[in-house]
Amino acid sequence: DAGVTQSPTHLIKTRGQQVTLRCSPISGHKSVSWYQQVLGQGPQFIFQYYEKEERGRGNFPDRFSARQFPNYSSELNVNALLLGDSALYLCASTRGGYTGELFFGEGSRLTVL
Amino acid sequence: SQQGEEDPQALSIQEGENATMNCSYKTSINNLQWYRQNSGRGLVHLILIRSNEREKHSGRLRVTLDTSKKSSSLLITASRAADTASYFCATDAINNAGNMLTFGGGTRLMVKP
Repeated sequence: DAGVTQSPTHLIKTRGQQVTLRCSPISGHKSVSWYQQVLGQGPQFIFQYYEKEERGRGNFPDRFSARQFPNYSSELNVNALLLGDSALYLCASTRGGYTGELFFGEGSRLTVL
Repeated sequence: SQQGEEDPQALSIQEGENATMNCSYKTSINNLQWYRQNSGRGLVHLILIRSNEREKHSGRLRVTLDTSKKSSSLLITASRAADTASYFCATDAINNAGNMLTFGGGTRLMVKP
């Protein structure tokens, strides 16, 4: 079975641009979470979606938004990019909405110039 | 901000030695999890210990949890060069937002052959 897949794996943007990152969960998993990991730090929670509804939001500005589609895949959008948005963006899926083991994708590495 | 702090931030040992990493956290939790990350790639779940458990084993891994001290430790016995990675503790806090885990800053482990 395929694991969590994320695209693109790497991308470079300039300040002020917008970016969309995509995530496909493990088959049968209905919950997707997004995390931001700045170099040298641990991941920080951005959003969780379960059954297409937002279940949790971390301490991130409104420039960050996300959605989940009927097939449970998800997109993370970041508008008006800042240099500080440069990070590894990780998607994780779980079968249900509870907080057990998270299954992570390999991440999308965003560089903002 | 991150709830947990890991100690040490970096650890270098010889193959065959044991590696111990510590994690402290701030709030009451449902469970605490340990994850491994190779070179900025996706995180891999290692072990989950619930708040009513004190010790758990999985292969060469041993995790302890002391809720009175709000601390946990991860012991890797008979380490191998392949264990070289960053290790993160993550807490599922009571009354958290959705499927949110709060990660520590990580311990970078290097195992020399």
